[in-house]
Amino acid sequence: QVQLQESGPGLVKPSQTLSLTCTVSGGSISSGSYYWSWIRQPAGKGLEWIGRIYTSGSTMYNPSLKSRVSISVDTSKNQFSLKLSSVTAADTAVYYCATEDIYGGGRSDYWGQGTQVTVSS
Amino acid sequence: DIQMTQSPSSLSASVGDRVTITCRASQSITNYLNWYQQKPGKAPKLLIYTASSLQSGVPSRFSGSGSGTDFTLTISSLQPEDFATYYCQQSYSTPFTFGPGTKVDIK
Repeated sequence: QVQLQESGPGLVKPSQTLSLTCTVSGGSISSGSYYWSWIRQPAGKGLEWIGRIYTSGSTMYNPSLKSRVSISVDTSKNQFSLKLSSVTAADTAVYYCATEDIYGGGRSDYWGQGTQVTVSS
Repeated sequence: DIQMTQSPSSLSASVGDRVTITCRASQSITNYLNWYQQKPGKAPKLLIYTASSLQSGVPSRFSGSGSGTDFTLTISSLQPEDFATYYCQQSYSTPFTFGPGTKVDIK
């Protein structure tokens, strides 16, 4: 069973770049069965899809964040990463990594536990 | 982007009640509709995918229906562990979008 674990700084200063990594265990990120995605949730609010990457490196981003977001994959480490530049307080949220089942209608059946990122000076 | 709406935004119910939550998409998403349950401080948990398929390990009291733009999540007999927030999500086209959530609490 696939397990996901987010890691990275919990505090980022305004205008800087948020960087998070998701480590995949229990399966290979190169399996080809999943897209690997990032989703965030501000406190007390709903879920926002940030973007996803395939093992080949092909990406898709939310247009609302596209100019600031980058997702990359490191198959040798079984990890994928998120970078969000020029952050503001509005980027404060719990960030989740998750799978998207390519052959299962895009469902996200595996999620990380989430990591809180606060943007503050 | 496809906009997702849910109703009600919250509801109060008792153990044993039948609960129905509705989700509507701003355009047809065929059956690319997923339902998640989220408890405080936890990641969302997949309940239903492609509108009506029950995720492995999820109790059969959960069911989903609908196609096109209108969808329903039904809990046939609410249990204490079902008090949570429920989100629908369209996976028809990127960016995938979620409904605003329905909070189910104890009456």
